[in-house]
Amino acid sequence: QVQLQQSGPGLVKPSQTLSLTCAISGDSVSSNSAAWNWIRQSPSRGFEWLGRTYYRSKWYNDYAISVKSRITINPDTSKNQFSLQLNSVTPEDTAVYYCASGWTNFDYWGQGTLVTVSS
Amino acid sequence: SYVLTQPPSVSVAPGQTARITCGGNNIGSKSVHWYQQKPGQAPVLVVYDDSDRPSGIPERFSGSISGNTATLTISRVEAGDEADYYCQVWDSSSDHPGVFGTGTKVTVL
Repeated sequence: QVQLQQSGPGLVKPSQTLSLTCAISGDSVSSNSAAWNWIRQSPSRGFEWLGRTYYRSKWYNDYAISVKSRITINPDTSKNQFSLQLNSVTPEDTAVYYCASGWTNFDYWGQGTLVTVSS
Repeated sequence: SYVLTQPPSVSVAPGQTARITCGGNNIGSKSVHWYQQKPGQAPVLVVYDDSDRPSGIPERFSGSISGNTATLTISRVEAGDEADYYCQVWDSSSDHPGVFGTGTKVTVL
């Protein structure tokens, strides 16, 4: 059974960087069959897939076009976790952020982190 | 980008059958997945690849697809099934490949 545990601040100032981490147990971030995703949910935009990282003999990333210029998802093999960085945030980035595993669907989810962008 | 449309709400009496639809252009060419989300909780995958159930999901949850509409059916509805339900597809040709539906609130009367 895969478990995902999220950590990171719940309040970020406008123009700063949102940073979250997702620790994995029950699987490996370096698995050749898994993918590790970040998804957010807000009342105004619903669910929005942001991007993923995965290992297939080398590391790959896919990002949604809406955040591609601002997002970085990185694996950390030493800690078996992956991270989200979203730069230059605005109040529109206020949402509950989830990490999730899965290639084309999302079978395991983190507990969610409400991130508020406000000064 | 690809759009998935769901009815905002469905009401059903206990023991009856709830049907939640998800419409999308040529949705039959894609694999449809369904999630249950209760207030304050993360989503739970209840159906994947149109009609398969993950381990631990009751047989009361089933999925089907016909034409441009996918349907999640909940048989013998229980009070604990009250939740929001979302469909989802992966549109690999899109710049926003992970697409979710608008969500349906299921109320158990």
